Amino acid sequence: RKEVEQDPGPFNVPEGATVAFNCTYSNSASQSFFWYRQDCRKEPKLLMSVYSSGNEDGRFTAQLNRASQYISLLIRDSKLSDSATYLCVVGGDYKLSFGAGTTVTVRA
Amino acid sequence: SAVISQKPSRDICQRGTSLTIQCQVDSQVTMMFWYRQQPGQSLTLIATANQGSEATYESGFVIDKFPISRPNLTFSTLTVSNMSPEDSSIYLCSVWGEKLFFGSGTQLSVL
Repeated sequence: RKEVEQDPGPFNVPEGATVAFNCTYSNSASQSFFWYRQDCRKEPKLLMSVYSSGNEDGRFTAQLNRASQYISLLIRDSKLSDSATYLCVVGGDYKLSFGAGTTVTVRA
Repeated sequence: SAVISQKPSRDICQRGTSLTIQCQVDSQVTMMFWYRQQPGQSLTLIATANQGSEATYESGFVIDKFPISRPNLTFSTLTVSNMSPEDSSIYLCSVWGEKLFFGSGTQLSVL
């Protein structure tokens, strides 16, 4: 079983729509949770950390469910510029495991 | 946040040759990491580059194939040795500062 699993998508949504997807992880001792964004052939860039109580950053909301060992990302009011691959990253301190990514395509 | 300069940004190499990738950070960092991302795959950690000691390699990666240097706290190199087409990938250096920051990556194609 992979340490971090994501639905690869793609999620094709119209502008203005809400899109949400999850990521499951296998190591119950994981302490650090992140969502990274990766554009085609570019390096991953941190989108947001995920905290136990859940957190929001503008149109992006992240949730952590430790009991079921998954994290989620919700994007409201999707923009064309949100089209990217979203990587789920889980681990402890600097020892991180990456999901293969969920591709989101926002269409006009 | 850390600013990481990585070069080359891309290269096309012949089978059997070697390529050295450089990574320069704008501040001193204890640990630097080298990742590989094969097409359509997630990032896989190759090794952790420690200053003053040998790099720590993950399962499936060996020093003879991926020698790493870490001469000081701001610089590291990764060499991909005796390349084959299976080594075609994006190679990323990164540093940890409460979060993971990445260099811009090296896109390697081996013919």
